[in-house]
Amino acid sequence: DIVMTQSPDSLAVSLGERATINCKSSQSVLASSNSKNQLAWYQQKPGQPPKMIIYWASTRESGVPDRFSGSGSGTDFTLTISSLQAEDVALYHCQQFFSLPYTFGQGTKLEIK
Amino acid sequence: QVQLHQSGPGLVKPSQTLSLTCAISGDSVSNNSVAWNWIRQSPSRGLEWLGRTYYRSKWYNDYAVFVKSRITVNPDTSKNQFSLQLNSVTPEDTAVYYCARALIGRFEFWGLGTLVTVSS
Repeated sequence: DIVMTQSPDSLAVSLGERATINCKSSQSVLASSNSKNQLAWYQQKPGQPPKMIIYWASTRESGVPDRFSGSGSGTDFTLTISSLQAEDVALYHCQQFFSLPYTFGQGTKLEIK
Repeated sequence: QVQLHQSGPGLVKPSQTLSLTCAISGDSVSNNSVAWNWIRQSPSRGLEWLGRTYYRSKWYNDYAVFVKSRITVNPDTSKNQFSLQLNSVTPEDTAVYYCARALIGRFEFWGLGTLVTVSS
């Protein structure tokens, strides 16, 4: 199984400041078939299911604000929120869809400082 | 817009079978471009993918190894839904269970979740 490890486990950032969450996979998730990283990011607010915000490591889902961006390739990935808003407080997860079983990171809790 | 409506009991006794259903609106369980999945979440283990069913001229299933001996995911084309059965449950199976639609492995649409507690 591909192990996904996020850092940090929790993060407190001031409103308007940048938030950065990292995700590392135990093996490359770059698919040779389409040259795309099989990596997604999800945002989960309390009492709600996860919501996909980024896929292929850097493609924003429709309707997601452009302050959210994803980067990285191979085994190392980053989710960046360029200017934190109050509504961004949530638990963030990365997920690999390179191979079964699909696996998730342990989650990063993002709070306001 | 695709919507997934979960139903099933929130309390299951140890050694019994957990059964959940996910009704689909806005899509067909027979859509040959997507897969229908069950995922669970607990504070101790985070999000865990359990299994899926999908149609590509015939029906296929895949399951996570750690539940493979206990799990069944079945489509029901007459009701446009799919189901989860997890046998021989223990308290470690206590979690919020989600159904989700996946496009090439990424989970685009999720049900609201069902908290299932395993307790006598």
